[in-house]
Amino acid sequence: NAGVTQTPKFQVLKTGQSMTLQCAQDMNHEYMSWYRQDPGMGLRLIHYSVGAGITDQGEVPNGYNVSRSTTEDFPLRLLSAAPSQTSVYFCASRGQGDTQYFGPGTRLTVL
Amino acid sequence: AQSVAQPEDQVNVAEGNPLTVKCTYSVSGNPYLFWYVQYPNRGLQFLLKYITGDNLVKGSYGFEAEFNKSQTSFHLKKPSALVSDSALYFCAVRDPGSYTGFQKLVFGTGTRLLVSP
Repeated sequence: NAGVTQTPKFQVLKTGQSMTLQCAQDMNHEYMSWYRQDPGMGLRLIHYSVGAGITDQGEVPNGYNVSRSTTEDFPLRLLSAAPSQTSVYFCASRGQGDTQYFGPGTRLTVL
Repeated sequence: AQSVAQPEDQVNVAEGNPLTVKCTYSVSGNPYLFWYVQYPNRGLQFLLKYITGDNLVKGSYGFEAEFNKSQTSFHLKKPSALVSDSALYFCAVRDPGSYTGFQKLVFGTGTRLLVSP
């Protein structure tokens, strides 16, 4: 049982490039989400999903897209990277309980 | 809007001494409160939660938190700190507007705990 996995661990992009951050969970959780963590700002919700085929925007969705074609996977797409998207990105999942399980994070730098 | 505040960026404590990491909240309705811990280069890990019931909540790794409704606080405590407790601690509150069933959490800015030997 791997829990929540994220790839890559580190990524450097140039402004304007696109990429996809991968997230997968093997706990059959319905709820999945993406957060970004910036110094002095805690974690902010980007997008979330309440099940396969259902996604919604969080607090800071601009510049990001998501999809949820399976229960296990919840990729985050950066359409045209900007320096303001330099951050650490965390994926999380939750079943029917209250506990969210977080992945190890992806550290993204946009030059 | 729901919010939590962690007034201290860093807390320093000597090993063996008691520790407190402070959190205050602002919510409409009953608060659902959480503490998470983040070790270096790792994701957040759940420590404990308050939903209802006893004001003293016990969690993982010997941590506990005291819910105080009159002071709108949810401070994290441990009777005897360990060097291995050094990490970043986040307080969070659940947004009751999560009608879809999604548990939208609002996080504080985090408090770095440094336990010295």
